Amino acid sequence: VLTQSPGTLSLSPGERATLSCRASQTVSGNYLAWFQQKPGQAPRLLIYDASSRATGIPDRFSGSGSGTDFTLTINRLEPADFAVYYCQQYGRSPWTFGQGTKVEIK
Amino acid sequence: VQLAESGGNLVQPGGSLRLSCVASGFTFSNFAMTWVRQAPGKGLEWVSSISGASGTIYYADSVKGRFTISRDNSKNTLYLQMNSLRAGDTALYYCAKSAGFRITGTTSDYWGQGTLVTVSS
Repeated sequence: VLTQSPGTLSLSPGERATLSCRASQTVSGNYLAWFQQKPGQAPRLLIYDASSRATGIPDRFSGSGSGTDFTLTINRLEPADFAVYYCQQYGRSPWTFGQGTKVEIK
Repeated sequence: VQLAESGGNLVQPGGSLRLSCVASGFTFSNFAMTWVRQAPGKGLEWVSSISGASGTIYYADSVKGRFTISRDNSKNTLYLQMNSLRAGDTALYYCAKSAGFRITGTTSDYWGQGTLVTVSS
């Protein structure tokens, strides 16, 4: 089970967002990804293997962590960054997603 | 990379449906593929994955025995046969390309826009 916190993060543009994803057991191979989803759109891969940025993702997005505790940090929030973020483990079946963290404009 | 899902519809409980996902822009047979669903207003739920040559297949417990994933690499198409449908299967079903040939250790780097399945009488 992946547990994301907080459920909702209220921030202003320009601030830093710190999102947490905690696993109930060690994530095999640190195979942990982060996705961004905006209303009416498909999820977009941001981070894979816990800390590698996907193609085209700006360096304002960074992932860290290992084992059971992982973090997504978004520096200098831009209006386009306000969305729901999901973590996912893909180290062993069944793949699982966290319940999501909504980053909203304060 | 483009992924185009189709086949979603309104179906009665106990009914069947087959979803398709036509892929383009990459060598389809070289990559594992996955179905992920999202119930209205809810989070993401992994459904099933299949490796590039169909040698490895995984299912979520919630669909095991009812859903069958398959692919036709000659047609660049991924399928999801859904039987014994329940109200709880109502969701937007996304097709997603994996970043590698195998399932374990590779996540989904491209997603389609989804096809809506509604199970209701």
